[in-house]
Amino acid sequence: AQKITQTQPGMFVQEKEAVTLDCTYDTSDQSYGLFWYKQPSSGEMIFLIYQGSYDEQNATEGRYSLNFQKARKSANLVISASQLGDSAMYFCAMREGLYNFNKFYFGSGTKLNVKP
Amino acid sequence: GAVVSQHPSRVICKSGTSVKIECRSLDFQATTMFWYRQFPKQSLMLMATSNEGSKATYEQGVEKDKFLINHASLTLSTLTVTSAHPEDSSFYICSAKPGQGVHEQYFGPGTRLTVT
Repeated sequence: AQKITQTQPGMFVQEKEAVTLDCTYDTSDQSYGLFWYKQPSSGEMIFLIYQGSYDEQNATEGRYSLNFQKARKSANLVISASQLGDSAMYFCAMREGLYNFNKFYFGSGTKLNVKP
Repeated sequence: GAVVSQHPSRVICKSGTSVKIECRSLDFQATTMFWYRQFPKQSLMLMATSNEGSKATYEQGVEKDKFLINHASLTLSTLTVTSAHPEDSSFYICSAKPGQGVHEQYFGPGTRLTVT
C-alpha cells in the first residue's frame, strides 16, 4: 500500500485566492511526522511545514497551513493568497518514528499553477 | 536554516565511466544522509540511507555495486555511479537531518546526471 497518496496531479488557482492540496497517509505507527515540500523548476526541495502526530493544533507557517485530520489520516496543505511564485511541484511526505535514520516517504506530487 | 550542498550540479559523462557526486552538510553534522533519485515529473525515490562509519542501507531494487555510497565523515557522503549507462541519467538529490531537535530533512540542490 502507498504510504503517501496525493490524488491531484495538477491544480490551477487564481492569483490571490486560496488553494488546498490533498494528502492522505497510511501508517500504523503512533509517532510520525508529516511534511510538505515545494520543488520549483530549479529542482531544489524547499521545506514548507511540519506536523507531528501528537500535535493537537494545526501547523501554520505564514501563508501555509496544514489541515491535520488524524482520524481520516489526511494532511492537506492550504496556501492562502496564492502568488505567482507559488507555481511549483508540491510533495507531501511522512516519516515514521522520530529518529534521524528514519526514512521519509514521498507522495507523487501535485503541480500547482497560479494564474495571473 | 541548515545548508546542504551537492557537487557537481550538472555532469555529462560517457557510457561506461564512473561519476562521483558529493553531498556535504555545511553547518551541521549528519550521522545519516539520504540519497534520492528523481525522474522527470515524478516523485523522489529513496535509493539508500548513508550511515557515517558503516555500510549504507539500500532500498529494494537498488544495485549496491552500481551505486556506491561512502559516508566518510559527519559532513560528507558520496554517491558513485559506476559503469554508467544512459538509463542512469536522472536527477540525484541528497538530504540530511541536522539533529534530534529538528524534524525536517534539508535537501541539497541536486545533481543532474546525463550519460551519453
